Parts: sequence; structure tokens; C-alpha cells
Amino acid sequence: EAQVTQNPRYLITVTGKKLTVTCSQNMNHEYMSWYRQDPGLGLRQIYYSMNVEVTDKGDVPEGYKVSRKEKRNFPLILESPSPNQTSLYFCASSKFLKTGVNTEAFFGQGTRLTVV
Amino acid sequence: GQQVMQIPQYQHVQEGEDFTTYCNSSTTLSNIQWYKQRPGGHPVFLIQLVKSGEVKKQKRLTFQFGEAKKNSSLHITATQTTDVGTYFCAGQDAGGTSYGKLTFGQGTILTVHP
Repeated sequence: EAQVTQNPRYLITVTGKKLTVTCSQNMNHEYMSWYRQDPGLGLRQIYYSMNVEVTDKGDVPEGYKVSRKEKRNFPLILESPSPNQTSLYFCASSKFLKTGVNTEAFFGQGTRLTVV
Repeated sequence: GQQVMQIPQYQHVQEGEDFTTYCNSSTTLSNIQWYKQRPGGHPVFLIQLVKSGEVKKQKRLTFQFGEAKKNSSLHITATQTTDVGTYFCAGQDAGGTSYGKLTFGQGTILTVHP
């Protein structure tokens, strides 16, 4: 079954304690991205990756890090979480065509993060 | 940078009424996608439009892509309670400054009263 798997689904942590949210896809997709969802703001892109070892900043990258060492995995790292990073996070993957068109995005189930 | 505005933010309808959400981009798009997110769920892909002026239908849902490829709409005919959720548009900039990046609108939250 084609899927994007995120872990954990829920996480409560304290300010400053480093954490990693994992994301894995089994569709051999080139393009992967992280979004955060906040009420009234839609889905804002944090980071994206075009392929292995290629990552770039999205709209709200401050306070986040990513890596793409393998095609299937794209972890999101919060080195020193702060309360304003409390949000719902989604990982997504899609096939990126040679024409430059990004196709249907498959989303993970989401990670609800609370930083206290 | 590219901005995608979506209106309305909220829409409450009686079951059986029609519903439309609109999406406008500050830049020309290479394509636009629509997603639905059920309460407590994750966004699920509905459709992708690529051609100028394109119209596609999925049962009671009609999707349009503007002639200038800067706006789009989703229309639902005769809403049902199963249509409840948030509808997002997502546009890919044709300019190529952010290669492959999808910019999402703020979403329209649809409530359907039985």
C-alpha cells in the first residue's frame, strides 16, 4: 500500500529539548516536504527536498532542520523547540516529473506537537 | 514570493445547497491542485488542473482553472454531510523561482447542516 508514515502522532515536550519527527515513504518519490498547519493559516511549507542530499527552505524554516540521506526518509529536526512551534505537522511526498510538474502529494497522518 | 489566497475562510450551508470556494494566485501557475481534509484527518488529493481554462468534474464536484492560470474554483452541487471538511487549493509557480514548490491557500472550512 502506498503510504507516507510519520512518527510520532502526538508529542508533548519541553522548551529546548531536541526532538525528531520521522517521515518515510514507500513510493520512490523524489519530492518530499514538511508543512505546519495552524488555524487560519493553511499549510505552510517548512522545508522541501527535490532528491537525496538536496534540501531547501520553504516559507517558515526558522527553528527547523531536515536531512535527506535516503530517498525514502525525510526527518524533521527541532534542535531547541519553543512554544511557538506548537502545531500540527504534515510530511508529504510526490513524484516530480521531468516536465517540472509536481504531481499528487501524499500526506502522512500528521504529528501534533505541543511545546510547553 | 508567491501568494495563494483562498476565499471564503468559512462556509456554512444547508444540506442540498451548493458550495463554491475560490483560489487566486499572485503569480501565474503551471498547475493547481485541490485537496480535502476531513476533521482530524490529513489532506487528501482530489484533482490536478494543468491547462488554461480547464474544467474537470468528479460526480458533484466541478473544478475550473482560469484562462490566465492565476485562479481556480471548486464547486460542489447539492452538498451532503459527507462533504464536510476543509478544502485547500495548492498552486505551483510557473516562474520556476521555487522549483516544484506547492503553495497552499488558507483553506475553506465547509460545514453542512442536515
